[in-house]
Amino acid sequence: GDSVTQMEGPVTLSEEAFLTINCTYTATGYPSLFWYVQYPGEGLQLLLKATKADDKGSNKGFEATYRKETTSFHLEKGSVQVSDSAVYFCALVRAGGTSYGKLTFGQGTILTVHP
Amino acid sequence: DAGVIQSPRHEVTEMGQEVTLRCKPISGHNSLFWYRQTMMRGLELLIYFNNNVPIDDSGMPEDRFSAKMPNASFSTLKIQPSEPRDSAVYFCASSFGLAGVNEQFFGPGTRLTVL
Repeated sequence: GDSVTQMEGPVTLSEEAFLTINCTYTATGYPSLFWYVQYPGEGLQLLLKATKADDKGSNKGFEATYRKETTSFHLEKGSVQVSDSAVYFCALVRAGGTSYGKLTFGQGTILTVHP
Repeated sequence: DAGVIQSPRHEVTEMGQEVTLRCKPISGHNSLFWYRQTMMRGLELLIYFNNNVPIDDSGMPEDRFSAKMPNASFSTLKIQPSEPRDSAVYFCASSFGLAGVNEQFFGPGTRLTVL
């Protein structure tokens, strides 16, 4: 079945540090890929997405590129802020078949940014 | 728009009691998703509806769980009887169309504690 694997957390960084959160996936066909963010006490929010190979999703300084050859969708940000402290989820959805429309999430990575 | 509305925000109940969680999706959205989030299992999709019809309920843990969507603006998730292992945060999300095409918007969640 479909699966998403994220790097183990928690990740702790100082403000203005470079961030990478690794994400790899297993799915048949050509899934769409997403990063969601969950701030404390809130529901998930879509951060960015990519729907086909080599697409780059970007938002709020975060970027991720859909790499089909390595089945990866790593999240990066050049300079993190304290306000980026949250839990980040990588996810995929496969078009077609019985899983159509169903998001499969990774386990989440906790990011803490210190001043 | 008010976003996805969930009630109650917190629920504490005793084992064996019936619990009903409620969700109002964003107006105009025709897909609705129920998720459960725990530390041990992460984020799990329980069931989702499209145009008020259940599409995939394979994530519903057992017969104690049931979900309904009587109309486009309301859904319930019921647990009867509840057990301590049901303690989790339950999220409702909605989208226009299925998840692969359009963004899912999450509610703030209901934190359920079963004693």
